Amino acid sequence: GAVVSQHPSWVICKSGTSVKIECRSLDFQATTMFWYRQFPKQSLMLMATSNEGSKATYEQGVEKDKFLINHASLTLSTLTVTSAHPEDSSFYICSARDFMAGAYNQPQHFGDGTRLSIL
Amino acid sequence: SQQGEEDPQALSIQEGENATMNCSYKTSINNLQWYRQNSGRGLVHLILIRSNEREKHSGRLRVTLDTSKKSSSLLITASRAADTASYFCATDSLYGQNFVFGPGTRLSVLP
Repeated sequence: GAVVSQHPSWVICKSGTSVKIECRSLDFQATTMFWYRQFPKQSLMLMATSNEGSKATYEQGVEKDKFLINHASLTLSTLTVTSAHPEDSSFYICSARDFMAGAYNQPQHFGDGTRLSIL
Repeated sequence: SQQGEEDPQALSIQEGENATMNCSYKTSINNLQWYRQNSGRGLVHLILIRSNEREKHSGRLRVTLDTSKKSSSLLITASRAADTASYFCATDSLYGQNFVFGPGTRLSVLP
């Protein structure tokens, strides 16, 4: 089945550091990838939709200058948390859809998430 | 705004019992999907039911969809301790909106 690899799985860094998270579709092409944020015991909150070769679409309330998204190829999207602060600590999850399999009625395939802890 | 709303929020059962989780949503959909998340991990797709389907089975899973009531249920039969996880429904809107996840049901299956 379709596999999405997310790296790193766990990051601890000092306040002010920028952190890059990678999301790769390993065996399919993903024209669109999604980035979610999840707080403990809560659901996933969509942050942005990443489109290959174009600008990401951010959800209301998500700062695009804070969370930079790049989707330079059909298999890779990156999320950079710039100048991270303790309030950015969270679990970040990416997902992708295999649009070659049909635009609709296809599941999303999720990475294993990245736990970000800012000290 | 949240589209899917699961209930109950938490469910604790004994191994071997059945677990039923419900999901309600608000807008018209292409399909509804159920996902499972183990603690600290990503989501695993369980089952997709299209808007023109009423029931679907996959192993010990049974999903129903009632579009007139805008609701779905996930039944896990003969539960096992390994089924302990959070379960989310997500809707794929007719109007091109992205997936919207409900708050999830935390299932605990006690050995």
